[in-house]
Amino acid sequence: GAVVSQHPSWVICKSGTSVKIECRSLDFQATTMFWYRQFPKQSLMLMATSNEGSKATYEQGVEKDKFLINHASLTLSTLTVTSAHPEDSSFYICSASPTGTTSTNEQFFGPGTRLTVL
Amino acid sequence: GENVEQHPSTLSVQEGDSAVIKCTYSDSASNYFPWYKQELGKGPQLIIDIRSNVGEKKDQRIAVTLNKTAKHFSLHITETQPEDSAVYFCAASPAYNQGGKLIFGQGTELSVKP
Repeated sequence: GAVVSQHPSWVICKSGTSVKIECRSLDFQATTMFWYRQFPKQSLMLMATSNEGSKATYEQGVEKDKFLINHASLTLSTLTVTSAHPEDSSFYICSASPTGTTSTNEQFFGPGTRLTVL
Repeated sequence: GENVEQHPSTLSVQEGDSAVIKCTYSDSASNYFPWYKQELGKGPQLIIDIRSNVGEKKDQRIAVTLNKTAKHFSLHITETQPEDSAVYFCAASPAYNQGGKLIFGQGTELSVKP
């Protein structure tokens, strides 16, 4: 149980294009999903909190117009990196909290998406 | 806000030995402390967690202890095996009204030598 998938697992794109990453909770519903960014040999940096049916909450320093988040259903959240540039190259990881567990704060992580911008 | 410090950053042990990773946190209101294992190129996997109303929790070769007074918690792995080699992250969760965020430590790269 508590499986989270991400698609694609890796993507290479040209500078200036947009890339969409999907995060799905496969066997549970998730009112809240989180998006993280991780650089090599570093910890996870929270980018934003995504709540189903409402606008995402972005962490300080994260450009909301560049990293568009949509949480249209209880099992799907998407992150779109708009006008990607080489500095956006990173490992993007989502996590999901099962509905009803917000007070207990459990999070289950997806396998991550490696983005490379040429 | 919450701040989590994790030590050591790297840890090398011989197969069969024990490994201990320690974390400290700053927000006394934090109430949930998970540990994650991350293998190269993969997402973090929850391996054990503990809540603030419990002092110790054990699951086979893995245990976690929590000292609320000192605001630190530790991961203990006994009888280590080469497949335990990975990066381990601790995390702390502030009180629930902050939206269920997790604040992560810096990570510990554990190497278990056969």
